[in-house]
Amino acid sequence: EAAVTQSPRSKVAVTGGKVTLSCHQTNNHDYMYWYRQDTGHGLRLIHYSYVADSTEKGDIPDGYKASRPSQENFSLILELASLSQTAVYFCASSVGSQNTLYFGAGTRLSVL
Amino acid sequence: GEKVEQHESTLSVREGDSAVINCTYTDTASSYFPWYKQEAGKSLHFVIDIRSNVDRKQSQRLTVLLDKKAKRFSLHITATQPEDSAIYFCAASGGRGSALGRLHFGAGTQLIVIP
Repeated sequence: EAAVTQSPRSKVAVTGGKVTLSCHQTNNHDYMYWYRQDTGHGLRLIHYSYVADSTEKGDIPDGYKASRPSQENFSLILELASLSQTAVYFCASSVGSQNTLYFGAGTRLSVL
Repeated sequence: GEKVEQHESTLSVREGDSAVINCTYTDTASSYFPWYKQEAGKSLHFVIDIRSNVDRKQSQRLTVLLDKKAKRFSLHITATQPEDSAIYFCAASGGRGSALGRLHFGAGTQLIVIP
């Protein structure tokens, strides 16, 4: 069974503060993704990566940065957190493109 | 860009009945259509997928139908059980201008199976 671990599981941040969400996978997958989930919007892709040391913008990258220092690790960084970034964030990995995504448990972020 | 719409936000069925969840997409070049399930308070996990080279795929009680002309695909669940209750997300990828691996998700359909 694929294993994708996210930390923290929940986070309360202050507006304007910096937030880092971490993701670690032990599947040897090349692709990793960050999605956010908002009620009524499904999942929207923020950033993704298909190789270490390289990241790509997804559909809603504004206000977020990503970092892929190794094949196993993929971080999402909010340099200046805003109220609108309150959401549940999911990390996922896959073997190549157009293959099954394996999701982490999610991080519930509240920005106050 | 690709837009995926799920037409039912909530669907209630009696245990043992069939359920059908419908999705449409906009990009004719999309070629990969997976479905994911999210149980209450949990993460998403893969359920079934279909690729554009076929129009039907079945796995046990689940069947996915793909109508490329209508740009529509659907998930059929037969003999529903209470544990089928969850939010089901459809998705599409591989469309024109879409970078590899970029899935576009629908908003989700809450399936409620009434015992």
